[in-house]
Amino acid sequence: DAKTTQPNSMESNEEEPVHLPCNHSTISGTDYIHWYRQLPSQGPEYVIHGLTSNVNNRMASLAIAEDRKSSTLILHRATLRDAAVYYCILRDRIGNTGKLIFGQGTTLQVKP
Amino acid sequence: NAGVMQNPRHLVRRRGQEARLRCSPVKGHSHVYWYRQLPEEGLKFMVYLQKENIIDESGMPKERFSAEFPKEGPSILRIQQVVRGDSAAYFCASSPPRGRGREKLFFGSGTQLSVL
Repeated sequence: DAKTTQPNSMESNEEEPVHLPCNHSTISGTDYIHWYRQLPSQGPEYVIHGLTSNVNNRMASLAIAEDRKSSTLILHRATLRDAAVYYCILRDRIGNTGKLIFGQGTTLQVKP
Repeated sequence: NAGVMQNPRHLVRRRGQEARLRCSPVKGHSHVYWYRQLPEEGLKFMVYLQKENIIDESGMPKERFSAEFPKEGPSILRIQQVVRGDSAAYFCASSPPRGRGREKLFFGSGTQLSVL
């Protein structure tokens, strides 16, 4: 599986936008870009995924660079409940198992 | 709709005992994944199963650990003769059959195993 690189930690103020970057320079043409997050003492939770175009859902937006070697997860208005570890993961859409390989992720701290 | 259900939520075992962790996937999901998270560490893939089949067990320790997903009933992760190093949070995830949004995994709340 291609690897991703994320900052270890980030801070944000409540109700401000947050941009969480992810580098994936070895991404292949068949890799989806997935984001999951893990709140304290809980299992991971799906946030969003995309292939080439930017994506929006009720939780967040995903901005994908034109060359697909990087992406940014955007939380439009951070709340205290968004404090979590955010994982950027590449998933081969034609892979044989579809398992997710988690890295260390970015720990997001949201300050009131 | 019920999500992925794991039980027990907390499990305490003494060294040498057996631990059985259960996972009921989302209704209609036929793919199950098990992950382990050691204290202060990331999530590590253990095994991927479909009904009655182990598809990928590349993350499973060679000894003492086994997993099954029978035709009927929950998936079971079994740890024999537990040791203190097995203390961790064990998460189960499920996904629908391929071609129906398989990209998304749904995770349970986990079982926290403590070995005394």
